[in-house]
Amino acid sequence: DAGVIQSPRHEVTEMGQEVTLRCKPISGHDYLFWYRQTMMRGLELLIYFNNNVPIDDSGMPEDRFSAKMPNASFSTLKIQPSEPRDSAVYFCASRTRDSGTGGYTFGSGTRLTVV
Amino acid sequence: QKEVEQDPGPLSVPEGAIVSLNCTYSNSAFQYFMWYRQYSRKGPELLMYTYSSGNKEDGRFTAQVDKSSKYISLFIRDSQPSDSATYLCAATTGGAQKLVFGQGTRLTINP
Repeated sequence: DAGVIQSPRHEVTEMGQEVTLRCKPISGHDYLFWYRQTMMRGLELLIYFNNNVPIDDSGMPEDRFSAKMPNASFSTLKIQPSEPRDSAVYFCASRTRDSGTGGYTFGSGTRLTVV
Repeated sequence: QKEVEQDPGPLSVPEGAIVSLNCTYSNSAFQYFMWYRQYSRKGPELLMYTYSSGNKEDGRFTAQVDKSSKYISLFIRDSQPSDSATYLCAATTGGAQKLVFGQGTRLTINP
């Protein structure tokens, strides 16, 4: 099992540009979560999906952020336009309902720097 | 106020010491409590989880939850340099609901 795969690993972009982060969950996992990690705020949930349907997007900071899950094996998090305060590590995680509480598997993250 | 509070440290101890990491939480609906370990430039990995109040032991690691005081603890015995990482506590109401994380404590074990 390759685990949760995120791309790119690092992204440096200029303020105002569009950024797209990608995630491939573990096959068979029906929940997918997007988290953002910063030194100041720690790990924060942005949005999560169940069976490709967004369930809770209350953590999405503003309209500049959007997330999609067109199928069970792919999700994107898009920031348009990007701002320096969006600089953070973005993690994707997946799990099944039967994996037991705590059975979240995280990817290695995308480190985003907006200059 | 954050739902889960954790002292970010950093915490530095000598090899072999007993380490105590702690969190508090405010949401009484939380039923499941977890500790994740995160090495530098990696994603968090589940270390231990407990349901409701009580203790759980796994090798050198012990997790404790006291729901009456809303307090979560992780103890590491005979700490090793390989235990150097950031430790994150987390809580959830159950099922596949979202995890709420503490800020994480950066721990360094010095040889």
